[in-house]
Formats: sequence, C-alpha cells, structure tokens
Amino acid sequence: GQSLEQPSEVTAVEGAIVQINCTYQTSGFYGLSWYQQHDGGAPTFLSYNGLDGLEETGRFSSFLSRSDSYGYLLLQELQMKDSASYFCAAPNTGFQKLVFGTGTRLLVSP
Amino acid sequence: GAVVSQHPSRVICKSGTSVKIECRSLDFQATTMFWYRQFPKQSLMLMATSNEGSKATYEQGVEKDKFLINHASLTLSTLTVASAHPEDSSFYICSAEFSRGSNYGYTFGSGTRLTVV
Repeated sequence: GQSLEQPSEVTAVEGAIVQINCTYQTSGFYGLSWYQQHDGGAPTFLSYNGLDGLEETGRFSSFLSRSDSYGYLLLQELQMKDSASYFCAAPNTGFQKLVFGTGTRLLVSP
Repeated sequence: GAVVSQHPSRVICKSGTSVKIECRSLDFQATTMFWYRQFPKQSLMLMATSNEGSKATYEQGVEKDKFLINHASLTLSTLTVASAHPEDSSFYICSAEFSRGSNYGYTFGSGTRLTVV
C-alpha cells in the first residue's frame, strides 16, 4: 500500500517563506505531485518531481529525495490567497490511481 | 486543455433518495476516471476507479451497491449514491488521467457538495 504523511497545519505571515513536508511509504514510486485546494474547490496542480532535486515554478518550488522518501513544497513571498490546503500525491504502481497525502492546512495572516 | 466538467456542484436531497453525479471530459477522452470523497478538513479518499466499458474497481470498504459507477463512454462517468443517508453527506470529486504530447497528469472536476437531510 501507500501512505503519505504531512503536518496537519502550518501558519505563517504574509511575505514569509513556508515549507510543507511530505514523507511517504510506497511499494513502488513514480514521482511526487503537489496540489492546492481552497475550501469548497477542486485540487489544482502545482508541481511535480519525478527525479531528485528541486523544481521551481514561480513562487512555488518542490523538492524530492527518493533515498529519504521525502519531499517538500516551498512557498515564497506568501500572500493571503495562499491560505488553502496542500496535498502531496503519488500514483501507485502501474499508475492505476493517484493517492493523496494527509494534507496540510496553511493559514497566512497579515 | 484537459478539462473535466462535474455536475451538479451542489445538491441537497432527502434521506432515502438517490443522487447522480456526472463527470464529463470536455476536450479529451478519459478511458479512466477516479472518484474521490472528501470529508471536512480531511484528505481526498479514493472510492473507485472507473474504466470505460468495464466494471469499476472499488477501494476496500466502499460499498459498490451504494456507490454505483457507470463509465459508458470515453467522455462520461457517473456516480450514483443510492438511497443516500446523512452519513453520505460529503464532497465528491472526479478526476481523469490525461496524456497530451509530453504532458501527463490528472485533472479534476470542480466537485459536488452532497448534503443529505
């Protein structure tokens, strides 16, 4: 099976940098994705790491270390609109389904 | 590109009635669609995987007779919550795999908020 663990909640102030961690246990591994979900909305894709290292997409970056079964999402120059839930996710063996992490609720304050 | 349209966005029904949720892929063919359920402040939990023209595969603990999935075409998958009860109240989201050139990923419907009273 698969499990992806995240901290339940992270708080930060506008303009700050925040890191959301994800540790995983999978029988096979095919990369780690990150999604943002605002309350009542659908998940939206943020970033993907298929290989070790850092992927940068604007204010958001994502990092993966397959040897440590660990990844993180880095959000820079935080804005109020970044307050949302963030999920790491990974496909299972054979890409038959996408499994989501436990989710992290980010609260950005003025 | 790779848009999935989900309807209705919100539904309130009486206990004991059935509710159908539709997901359509608008600009691509979705041979596989996934149905998730999400309770407040929790993660998305996969309920089942539907494949066009064949029976859906349900995750452990999901009642196939209660959550009826039909994937009759390459652009439409439906989830019917049969004889809904208050404990079925949740946010239901569909998702589909897409592959377009070098782009591959999962796209999501906008979700359906089901409230059973």
